[in-house]
Amino acid sequence: SSEVTQDPAVSVALGQTVRITCQGDSLRSNYASWYQQKPGQAPILVIYGKNNRPSGIPDRFSGSSSGNTASLTITGAQAEDEADYYCNSRDSSTNHWVFGGGTKLIVL
Amino acid sequence: QVQLVQSGAEVKTPGASVKVSCKESAYAFTRNWMHWVRQAPGQGLEWMGVINPSGDNTRYAQKFQGRVTMTRDTSTSTVYMELRGLTSEDTAVYYCARDHSHLDTAMVTYWWFDPWGQGTLVTVSS
Repeated sequence: SSEVTQDPAVSVALGQTVRITCQGDSLRSNYASWYQQKPGQAPILVIYGKNNRPSGIPDRFSGSSSGNTASLTITGAQAEDEADYYCNSRDSSTNHWVFGGGTKLIVL
Repeated sequence: QVQLVQSGAEVKTPGASVKVSCKESAYAFTRNWMHWVRQAPGQGLEWMGVINPSGDNTRYAQKFQGRVTMTRDTSTSTVYMELRGLTSEDTAVYYCARDHSHLDTAMVTYWWFDPWGQGTLVTVSS
């Protein structure tokens, strides 16, 4: 089955820009969706498709994709952005979905 | 705004089964595919499977094949996930999440999960 991989942890200084990446073969033919999860809470959608934000998600969150890599960028990270971030992609060969292992974002 | 409300926490002994429910709010005018995702303590998200709007088509992750059954009661807008043969490794928070898909102008389809239920903690312990 297809897998997608993420860096376990990334840190960013307050107000700076950070990119969280997700790699996998399924990403060559499918966009990733991105989810933010804070401790004790259910995940929430932050980016989907080419670069779409649900209502209520700040415009400092953006998404991009190139080859087998999808990226979530936070421009001007805020303290409240400290959370775990997961990418998700559909595997076209199996019609199943897969999550990356998650990236813990630390805002310094 | 559609909301998903899940059933309460469960404590099960090894070998038992658990059935978790997920009810869509009355604002859900359309029926979508529904996913189930679980998260073991301190671990990441794990996709378990998905069920279609009419409840007659399911896809399960290889890991859970033969042990999981997802069903749907369209009359009550409720989706169920039953997991059998529980072990301590099944201790986790189980989430339902509504599927969406869209075909864009470049003829590319993309999917996303929104919203998610609040989660149901299933504890397996002797």
